[in-house]
Formats: sequence, structure tokens, C-alpha cells
Amino acid sequence: SAVISQKPSRDICQRGTSLTIQCQVDSQVTMMFWYRQQPGQSLTLIATANQGSEATYESGFVIDKFPISRPNLTFSTLTVSNMSPEDSSIYLCSVEGTSGTEAFFGQGTRLTVV
Amino acid sequence: GIQVEQSPPDLILQEGANSTLRCNFSDSVNNLQWFHQNPWGQLINLFYIPSGTKQNGRLSATTVATERYSLLYISSSQTTDSGVYFCAVHSGAGSYQLTFGKGTKLSVIP
Repeated sequence: SAVISQKPSRDICQRGTSLTIQCQVDSQVTMMFWYRQQPGQSLTLIATANQGSEATYESGFVIDKFPISRPNLTFSTLTVSNMSPEDSSIYLCSVEGTSGTEAFFGQGTRLTVV
Repeated sequence: GIQVEQSPPDLILQEGANSTLRCNFSDSVNNLQWFHQNPWGQLINLFYIPSGTKQNGRLSATTVATERYSLLYISSSQTTDSGVYFCAVHSGAGSYQLTFGKGTKLSVIP
């Protein structure tokens, strides 16, 4: 298994500002994943973050809006830039367990943009 | 890409009742997981079950990979079972990202 610490757990932000979400894993992992869950919806993958290379973004998500850092094998950050109310969502980071099968998730960051 | 459909979308149960949640997927998968999202938003792993049957207490799951569906059984439901249940699959060879269904929202009432 993997234990993931994600913070902040929630935040209320003004439109036009940026928020950086941190994700710390208790073991070294090759890939970390960032998901967005809009209100009442399912999870959508934003990007895959590999250590030492640029993140790979899914269709509809761009680096200027969601810059990601991956400085080492246990840590990653996602920034939500120039926020608007439409960015109000739960953001979750995820990793695969050591067996390479199950996925594990952080506690999530509940973001409200006003 | 692969499509994941869950049913029913909403379910209301009396405490103590049993239920079956279904997940259909459109292509062969090498990874299928069930998650429970609690009211605070946290996703909890229930089962990793690309095929076969597993049980954990009051919960059990069965995946019939050849027929592209999985079932999650909840017996003797409790109010703490309330939340959203998601099925998620790996899209295929070389793909490490999960594709999620839309979930089943379960409400267990006393």
C-alpha cells in the first residue's frame, strides 16, 4: 500500500489567484497522477507526473493553467492558476502501490473559488 | 477510449438491507478497482479485482472479465456505507491511468 498526505484539505480562494496543492507519499513512486472531480461528477485525470520530466497532460488540460512539479520520487505539487468559479472542485493525487496494481489516493483538496 | 458504465446511479436503502452495484466496461481490462468515496471526499480502496471473486467482511465483489462486467455486493448495509461507489479500470497495455465510471450514490437510512 501507499500512504499519501495531501494538503491543504480545503480552501476558499478569490478568483484570479492561484493555489498550490502538495502531495507527499511515504515511498518512492515512479508516477503520480492528478485528478479533478467537479461537483457531483466523476474523477477526470488532469496529468501524469514523472520525476525528472515534464508532466503529461490529458486533453482539455494545459500546463499554463495547471503547472505541476515533481522534484523527487515522493513529492509533487499541482497549481491551479488564475482561478475562476468553474475551478471549484475536489483535486486528488494518486499513486500506484508497490505491487503496481492498486491505486491509492490522497485525502483530496476541496477548492471553492469565489 | 474505454467506457465505464455504472448502475444504478442512485440507491436508497433501509439499514440492514442488501444491494448489488454493477459496473460494465467496453473493452478488456487488466485492472479493475472499486472505491468508496466518503462524504468528506476521500477515496477508499475496496477491491482490486480484474477477475474472480473477493470478500471483505460485509462487502464482496465479482468480476467476469470475459463478459466485461463487475458486481459489488453490500450486505446488511449500515449508515456508514453511505457515499459514492466508483468502479475504475486501466485503459489497456502501457496505460497506467484509471478511467472512472460515474459512480453509484448510496444512501443508507436508519
